[in-house]
Amino acid sequence: AQSVSQHNHHVILSEAASLELGCNYSYGGTVNLFWYVQYPGQHLQLLLKYFSGDPLVKGIKGFEAEFIKSKFSFNLRKPSVQWSDTAEYFCAADTDKLIFGTGTRLQVFP
Amino acid sequence: GAVVSQHPSRVICKSGTSVKIECRSLDFQATTMFWYRQFPKQSLMLMATSNEGSKATYEQGVEKDKFLINHASLTLSTLTVTSAHPEDSSFYICSARVPLGLAGLTDTQYFGPGTRLTVL
Repeated sequence: AQSVSQHNHHVILSEAASLELGCNYSYGGTVNLFWYVQYPGQHLQLLLKYFSGDPLVKGIKGFEAEFIKSKFSFNLRKPSVQWSDTAEYFCAADTDKLIFGTGTRLQVFP
Repeated sequence: GAVVSQHPSRVICKSGTSVKIECRSLDFQATTMFWYRQFPKQSLMLMATSNEGSKATYEQGVEKDKFLINHASLTLSTLTVTSAHPEDSSFYICSARVPLGLAGLTDTQYFGPGTRLTVL
């Protein structure tokens, strides 16, 4: 069965620190991968996605993610976080339906 | 960008009553919509896939007789929580799948703002 796991449940960083959030998926076939962000009290928003091609994808707000097929991973990174990045981050995998990871709560302190 | 709306945004009901939540895709026709449930500080759990003109496909553990889904048109799917109980209190989110090749849209799914259901 298709599943997505996120290793970090709660991450606390200071501004300007670097961020990497882990995401692994289990599915043997072709899969589209996403990172979504949910700011407090707001909708889910798409940060970035991978369908095919260059495994390093760049998204909005300085985020990027790298698809490593051999590791079934799609980790999210940002070189320097800001206070405004405080939010919940969800990794998701899409075959015929979108399955979400458990989410990572990121808190960034000034 | 595409917009998906949900109505109502909040609903409070008494135990034993039924509640209907609407999900509309405003900018495109969606043959497939999805219903998710999100518990506080947790992830989105897929409940069911709603296909226009056919029966919904429910995920394992989701009671289809309790969570009735109707996808009567290409822009509207409804979720009815029947005989609601306090344990059904949650945040319900729908999404609409973008048709392949639809220019101008950057995602494969767009999410509604969610409906917070509180059952007393």
